[in-house]
Amino acid sequence: DQQVKQNSPSLSVQEGRISILNCDYTNSMFDYFLWYKKYPAEGPTFLISISSIKDKNEDGRFTVFLNKSAKHLSLHIVPSQPGDSAVYFCAASAPRGGSEKLVFGKGTKLTVNP
Amino acid sequence: ETGVTQSPTHLIKTRGQQVTLRCSSQSGHNTVSWYQQALGQGPQFIFQYYREEENGRGNFPPRFSGLQFPNYSSELNVNALELDDSALYLCASSFKGNYGYTFGSGTRLTVV
Repeated sequence: DQQVKQNSPSLSVQEGRISILNCDYTNSMFDYFLWYKKYPAEGPTFLISISSIKDKNEDGRFTVFLNKSAKHLSLHIVPSQPGDSAVYFCAASAPRGGSEKLVFGKGTKLTVNP
Repeated sequence: ETGVTQSPTHLIKTRGQQVTLRCSSQSGHNTVSWYQQALGQGPQFIFQYYREEENGRGNFPPRFSGLQFPNYSSELNVNALELDDSALYLCASSFKGNYGYTFGSGTRLTVV
C-alpha cells in the first residue's frame, strides 16, 4: 500500500526552463510534506517543506505547492540548472506525538540538460 | 559541525548471518532514525531512537533491532539475514520534533 506516489520515474528538462515534479498522497492524516534531493553515493538532502496549513512555500529557485483537496503537491524549480540533476523524493508525515516517521515516494530522477 | 557518518560503506554477508551497521549522528542532534532503501524504491522507515529508547517502528520484523548510545551514536542490527535484506541502509539524525533530517551516505548491504 503506497501512501505517497511519484508517478513519473524520470523527467528531463533544458537548462533555464522550469522543472515540475509531482507527488500524490492517499493518507488524509498527513500534515507535513518535504522534498529531498539525492545524488548518487550520497544520502538524501533536505530541500524544502510545507505544512498542511499553507498552500505554497518558496525558497530561492524552489517552490512547493500543496493542494489538500486533491492530495497533491508539486515542486517547481526555476530556472533549472545542470547541478539540479538528481533523484527527488517526496515525503510525508502524520501528526506528531510519536516518532518523526517519514513516508517516502519512490523518487523522480531529474536530468537537466545544458 | 560534523554531518552523519555511517560505517561500513559496503558490506557483503551470507544468508542467515547477522550484521551490525553503525552511525554517528550530527553534533547536537538527539534523535536517530534508520531507513531501508531497496533498489528502485524510496526509503522505508525502520525505527527511530530517542533518549536511548525505541520511539516508533515501521513494518519490519523483530530481527531488525537497534541501539542508541549516550553520545547519540547508533547501531542497526539485523539477524538471520535474508536475500531481500539487500538494500541501502540510511541513518538520519535530527532534533526531536524536527523532520529536517540529516542523512548519512548509507551502507550498501548485499546478502548472497
